[in-house]
Amino acid sequence: DVQLVESGGGLVQPGGSLRLSCAASGFTVSSIYMSWVRQAPGRGLEWVSVIYSGGSTYYADSVKGRFTISRDNSKNTLYLQMNSLRAEETAVYYCVRHGSVPRDAFDIWGQGTMVTVSS
Amino acid sequence: SYVLTQAPSVSLAPGKTATITCGGNNIGSKGVHWYQQRPGQAPVLVIYYDSDRPSGIPERFSGSNSGNTATLTISRVEAGDEADYYCQVWDSSSDHVVFGGGTKLTVL
Repeated sequence: DVQLVESGGGLVQPGGSLRLSCAASGFTVSSIYMSWVRQAPGRGLEWVSVIYSGGSTYYADSVKGRFTISRDNSKNTLYLQMNSLRAEETAVYYCVRHGSVPRDAFDIWGQGTMVTVSS
Repeated sequence: SYVLTQAPSVSLAPGKTATITCGGNNIGSKGVHWYQQRPGQAPVLVIYYDSDRPSGIPERFSGSNSGNTATLTISRVEAGDEADYYCQVWDSSSDHVVFGGGTKLTVL
């Protein structure tokens, strides 16, 4: 079965850090484009970051310089390191799979992991 | 940065046809994807590359894209179609994914 399972969410204080993980099964994360997408409570979907199969990374302007997307090929796992977190970044964070090119649709979504930034 | 515009809400009776639009500058030149998100659930892909349907998505769901508007059409709307619908494109000029603001479909 092809699936994505996120973990690592929780409560963190403003200015704090958190690392999200996304374990993939049924396919290889290093051979495909992967993104993180978040959704604040009651709000729409917001793209956060992408990692290309070749390793290039890109970020939404709102998180650039504070968030880092990476992967561990041996563990077939995607990560999102989030630093200097802000209250407005409280959201469900989804790990998603593109296809073989970045313009492909997100065909597989994880169940999401909740991140709450609050004192 | 590239912007996609969706109406916040659409309401209609069961059995009618829902038309959900997504506006963007020359969006007809891009591949548009559509997602359905029911309350409390992760989004699900319902249309990719303007008009293709993933396996398992009913034929009642269709899409088109031309000029400055992409359209998701849901024929014979059912109560189970009640959800938020999002359009999405890849902006190659910035290497960014862009989502529309979402349209809430209410079945009366």
